[in-house]
Amino acid sequence: GQQVMQIPQYQHVQEGEDFTTYCNSSTTLSNIQWYKQRPGGHPVFLIQLVKSGEVKKQKRLTFQFGEAKKNSSLHITATQTTDVGTYFCEGGSNYKLTFGKGTLLTVNP
Amino acid sequence: GAGVSQSPSNKVTEKGKDVELRCDPISGHTALYWYRQSLGQGLEFLIYFQGNSAPDKSGLPSDRFSAERTGGSVSTLTIQRTQQEDSAVYLCASSPYAQPEGGYTFGSGTRLTVV
Repeated sequence: GQQVMQIPQYQHVQEGEDFTTYCNSSTTLSNIQWYKQRPGGHPVFLIQLVKSGEVKKQKRLTFQFGEAKKNSSLHITATQTTDVGTYFCEGGSNYKLTFGKGTLLTVNP
Repeated sequence: GAGVSQSPSNKVTEKGKDVELRCDPISGHTALYWYRQSLGQGLEFLIYFQGNSAPDKSGLPSDRFSAERTGGSVSTLTIQRTQQEDSAVYLCASSPYAQPEGGYTFGSGTRLTVV
């Protein structure tokens, strides 16, 4: 079945450093979504990518969808303490939606 | 409503008892999803509703788990004869999209503890 691997599992950075999390699917995806979950909170939808090679930006966040639509990345420039949380990717294909296990980001002020 | 509402927010139950979790999606959202999140873990897909029908029940862990949705709105997830491994946060999400394309709005979840 479809598997979505997300790395790294944990990432600790100093405030101001950049951060990247990667998502890799065992199958070609129709779309990929990214969510952020603050400690103690619920996942909040960030963005959806649909097109091969698509790049979208939200302020300091840059999302990419690979040309083969099997991988994606989320990059945060100049992290802030408000970026703390777990970032999940979710791959979709033929009614099948699979979440990665998430990357927990902690930021040292 | 303005958001996805789940109740109860917390539930402690004894092993072997049945529990019912409720989800009230955003008004007009046709798609509704149930996920489970164990402590420090990712999200485990349970079931997806499009209207009142469930095209995908593949994520339900066992036959002790069932879910229904009536009137294209409220959904209930029922766990019979609860086990300690059922302890988790059960999250509901809804989406206006006809197909599971993601981009959901999640509720705050029900934290289930089986003792």
